[in-house]
Amino acid sequence: QKEVEQNSGPLSVPEGAIASLNCTYSDRGSQSFFWYRQYSGKSPELIMFIYSNGDKEDGRFTAQLNKASQYVSLLIRDSQPSDSATYLCAVKPGPNAGNNRKLIWGLGTSLAVNP
Amino acid sequence: SAVISQKPSRDICQRGTSLTIQCQVDSQVTMMFWYRQQPGQSLTLIATANQGSEATYESGFVIDKFPISRPNLTFSTLTVSNMSPEDSSIYLCSALGPGEDQPQHFGDGTRLSIL
Repeated sequence: QKEVEQNSGPLSVPEGAIASLNCTYSDRGSQSFFWYRQYSGKSPELIMFIYSNGDKEDGRFTAQLNKASQYVSLLIRDSQPSDSATYLCAVKPGPNAGNNRKLIWGLGTSLAVNP
Repeated sequence: SAVISQKPSRDICQRGTSLTIQCQVDSQVTMMFWYRQQPGQSLTLIATANQGSEATYESGFVIDKFPISRPNLTFSTLTVSNMSPEDSSIYLCSALGPGEDQPQHFGDGTRLSIL
């Protein structure tokens, strides 16, 4: 059973701080990793995706991937109250998975940024 | 990224009836998926909609209850049949592509309530 695990939170940070969201996965052959943001009552919105080990930056967001340790993280710098949402980690399994076209989803981490 | 239109956005239905949800993408995509998300929960994949062939259902979901069509590369429907209150949920359409390494993007969802 391929799994993706996230701390459910809530993670509470003050405005302007760095929020760090973590995700671990069980399939060592996983190839692609995605972070989605979901506001209450809305559909998931893609924030970042990363394929290679290391860091990928986009504005205030940085995705970090460590395949050896099987974790991927999302850092949000200068957190704003508008960043308050649930962050979903999704992993595309490796080619040896039964169906590697579908994503394996974590349960999400709730982030609250306090003014 | 593809723009995904889903309708209806919400509906309130009577027990025992059926509802068809439509998903339209503004460009040709490789894969289309249907998810269910119950309040406070993460995403649960119902099925992968295959163009020109039967959908691939996940464990716990069957074609008689959730028939899916995908007549072309930009359109799919999900029918929720013989509805009961347990089917009250948000139903989400997503699309991937072109190319299987592209991220999935989501429609705005259909919020379904069964009385």
